[in-house]
Amino acid sequence: ETGVTQTPRHLVMGMTNKKSLKCEQHLGHNAMYWYKQSAKKPLELMFVYSLEERVENNSVPSRFSPECPNSSHLFLHLHTLQPEDSALYLCASSLSGQGGSYEQYFGPGTRLTVT
Amino acid sequence: AQSVAQPEDQVNVAEGNPLTVKCTYSVSGNPYLFWYVQYPNRGLQFLLKYITGDNLVKGSYGFEAEFNKSQTSFHLKKPSALVSDSALYFCAVRPYSSASKIIFGSGTRLSIRP
Repeated sequence: ETGVTQTPRHLVMGMTNKKSLKCEQHLGHNAMYWYKQSAKKPLELMFVYSLEERVENNSVPSRFSPECPNSSHLFLHLHTLQPEDSALYLCASSLSGQGGSYEQYFGPGTRLTVT
Repeated sequence: AQSVAQPEDQVNVAEGNPLTVKCTYSVSGNPYLFWYVQYPNRGLQFLLKYITGDNLVKGSYGFEAEFNKSQTSFHLKKPSALVSDSALYFCAVRPYSSASKIIFGSGTRLSIRP
């Protein structure tokens, strides 16, 4: 148990559906991240939020829309996805900035399958 | 360009033997370096980090890593491997200039045979 929870753990959705992934951290961290992990590919950083402000968006298609309502919660809203979006989506958090320890703590991931 | 490299996709070791998983990095300034482990169907777990101080860092599950500035390396080691160490290992680096982002390597699959 890392202190970062993700729901749902598994999700199957059609290309026309809209769904959301949820992440919650109980560690008092001030930065949160979304990563995509596909088979045979390196870990891809999608979004970074620091102090609830998006500080990085790595050319992610607009069908992925992040939301960070407060420092403990992070969402990834999904709509009109493609089969190649099927992957493990990982959320992470860290304590960044002056005095921060910087290591990221990861949730267990959501295994997404787009049909 | 700032990057981290794990030159081996797979490392195979017999149980009880020492293991090494290699990592090299390329960043400007003094880096923060990390190792993570991922078991099947799980997220990544933090193992250890180097920020400053002693070049040999000890972490979870008996793992340690050695920071070598001249060779820009941060290899992960364990004196005696266990079958339960079989997993995917990621090296990562935080560039000094980055407030929060860290860069992950492509991962090395460690397989320990009984």
